[in-house]
Amino acid sequence: GAVVSQHPSWVICKSGTSVKIECRSLDFQATTMFWYRQFPKQSLMLMATSNEGSKATYEQGVEKDKFLINHASLTLSTLTVTSAHPEDSSFYICSARDLNQPQHFGDGTRLSIL
Amino acid sequence: DAKTTQPNSMESNEEEPVHLPCNHSTISGTDYIHWYRQLPSQGPEYVIHGLTSNVNNRMASLAIAEDRKSSTLILHRATLRDAAVYYCILRDVGWSGAGSYQLTFGKGTKLSVIP
Repeated sequence: GAVVSQHPSWVICKSGTSVKIECRSLDFQATTMFWYRQFPKQSLMLMATSNEGSKATYEQGVEKDKFLINHASLTLSTLTVTSAHPEDSSFYICSARDLNQPQHFGDGTRLSIL
Repeated sequence: DAKTTQPNSMESNEEEPVHLPCNHSTISGTDYIHWYRQLPSQGPEYVIHGLTSNVNNRMASLAIAEDRKSSTLILHRATLRDAAVYYCILRDVGWSGAGSYQLTFGKGTKLSVIP
């Protein structure tokens, strides 16, 4: 079945650093990728939608300069959390879809900012 | 996306069938019903989806009411690995069949499986 790989699965870093998370579709070409954030005991919240080769569309309240998304190829999207602070600590999850297929999700990245 | 309502939690005994309900009284004619589940510390996993007819796959069955205002995800024989939060989500494909591909997650139903 379709597989979406997310890396790293877990990262701890100091406040003020930038963190890059990769999302890859391993056996299909992802025309659209999505980035979600999930705080403890809460549901997933969509952050942004990205289509290959175009700028990402951010949800209301999500800072585009804070969360940089690049979708340069049909199999790779990256999310960079710039100048991360403790309030950015969360579980970040990507998903990818191909035409007429359901979304498939990565296993998430747990980000802890000290 | 139209809103769905699910119970906060359910329990099932291992190896027994589980029926997870979902109400979606404001569903439109172009809304597909999707089910995903999320195991602890993992991303959501696609389970099944349908439009009007009941659907079966290797993971589960989806029973859709005739008026489409509710649906039920059926796990035929619960195992401990089925303990997860199950999300019922409506996705509007629009009359062109494309529509938005975004999924809006609610709180879901936390299923506990008792050995």
